Amino acid sequence: EAEVAQSPRYKITEKSQAVAFWCDPISGHATLYWYRQILGQGPELLVQFQDESVVDDSQLPKDRFSAERLKGVDSTLKIQPAELGDSAMYLCASSLGVKSPLHFGNGTRLTVT
Amino acid sequence: DAKTTQPNSMESNEEEPVHLPCNHSTISGTDYIHWYRQLPSQGPEYVIHGLTSNVNNRMASLAIAEDRKSSTLILHRATLRDAAVYYCILRDQVAGSNYKLTFGKGTLLTVNP
Repeated sequence: EAEVAQSPRYKITEKSQAVAFWCDPISGHATLYWYRQILGQGPELLVQFQDESVVDDSQLPKDRFSAERLKGVDSTLKIQPAELGDSAMYLCASSLGVKSPLHFGNGTRLTVT
Repeated sequence: DAKTTQPNSMESNEEEPVHLPCNHSTISGTDYIHWYRQLPSQGPEYVIHGLTSNVNNRMASLAIAEDRKSSTLILHRATLRDAAVYYCILRDQVAGSNYKLTFGKGTLLTVNP
């Protein structure tokens, strides 16, 4: 079964440094999501794309976070500068359409020191 | 977003049925009931969803109360691989809502051998 690919699997960075995560959704999936999951809590939606357009970024801290999906396929989530409170799992998901079930990758575990 | 209430944790024995409850007393007519689960160190995985009628698939069954204010996810024979956090989520299917999937804390299911 096709999977959502994410890299890196783990990332350790120092406070105030820049960090980037990459996601390759399942082929043909038009909708792409970035979620953040703090230990012990459920995932929280950061940003949702439909093809290359952002349809929801209301929970994205735009002063330090940015996300892009330039060709409507793979996507990058960037944090600059990283803060201690950004330590979390960053999950990417994709779906065929906005009403379809989400398929998640296994995430990038970020530790900010 | 409409909210759901789930027990923090439940325990089951291997090869026995498991009934995971979810209360959603403020559900609206356009909310679908979705269940996802998250195995350790993995991203969430879609399990099942429904609107009014009970639903079955290869993974589980979903029983929805007649008034739709509660639902139960049924695993017919639990295995050790079913140990996970199970999330009950209401997903608004009204056009223009972006069909947002908002996770709570879920129920941690432990399966005893």
